[in-house]
Amino acid sequence: GDSVTQTEGLVTLTEGLPVMLNCTYQSTYSPFLFWYVQHLNEAPKLLLKSFTDNKRPEHQGFHATLHKSSSSFHLQKSSAQLSDSALYYCASNYGNEKITFGAGTKLTIKP
Amino acid sequence: NSKVIQTPRYLVKGQGQKAKMRCIPEKGHPVVFWYQQNKNNEFKFLINFQNQEVLQQIDMTEKRFSAECPSNSPCSLEIQSSEAGDSALYLCASSLKGQLSNERLFFGHGTKLSVL
Repeated sequence: GDSVTQTEGLVTLTEGLPVMLNCTYQSTYSPFLFWYVQHLNEAPKLLLKSFTDNKRPEHQGFHATLHKSSSSFHLQKSSAQLSDSALYYCASNYGNEKITFGAGTKLTIKP
Repeated sequence: NSKVIQTPRYLVKGQGQKAKMRCIPEKGHPVVFWYQQNKNNEFKFLINFQNQEVLQQIDMTEKRFSAECPSNSPCSLEIQSSEAGDSALYLCASSLKGQLSNERLFFGHGTKLSVL
C-alpha cells in the first residue's frame, strides 16, 4: 500500500553543519509531499510542500526536491541552527482522502 | 498561533471511562482530520470528515470511538471505553481540501489523554 518512510529516528548535529533528513515514498500514484515541523509542546506546522510544476520549495533556509525517479523528498539545510531542534515529519497526500505521515525524525542541534 | 482550537488540553481518565475531546477547525475549512500521536511520536490516522460526512476511518475508530462534526458546532472525538493504550496526544487538523491536493493541514495543540 501507499507509505512514507523516514529512515532516521534520531539525528544529532553540531550547529553550523548541513542537515539532510531522508524521506521516501511508495505509491502507484504521484502524490503531493510535505514536511511538517513540531517544536516541543507546540502544534505541528507546515515547513514546505511539493509543487506540481517541479519548483523547489524553500522556507526558513530549508529546501526539498521531489525526485520521482527515486521516490524521494529529502529535507536539506546548508547550516543548522539551534532553533532547528524539533520533530520533522514527511507526509504525503495520495488522493485516498487520508494524509499519511512518516514515523518522524527527531533533530537535535548542539552548540 | 494555531487557529485550530482543541479542548481540553489535558484529560485524565480511568480505564473503562469515556473520554471526549473537541476541536474547532479553522474558519472556512471543510475537511477535518484526527490523528493519534503516541509516545514514540508516531502519527496514526484515526478519521476524517468533509463537512459532516465521514470520509475515511480506521477499524479501531469504527469499533471503539464515536466521532462527529456537526454543522455550527465543534467536532468531537470520544473514546467509549478508555484503555491504557489510548494514552496519547490526539491532534485535530483542518484543511481547505483533502483529496490529492497540496493544501496544508493546520493543526491544533492537541488533547493529551492519560488513561490511568
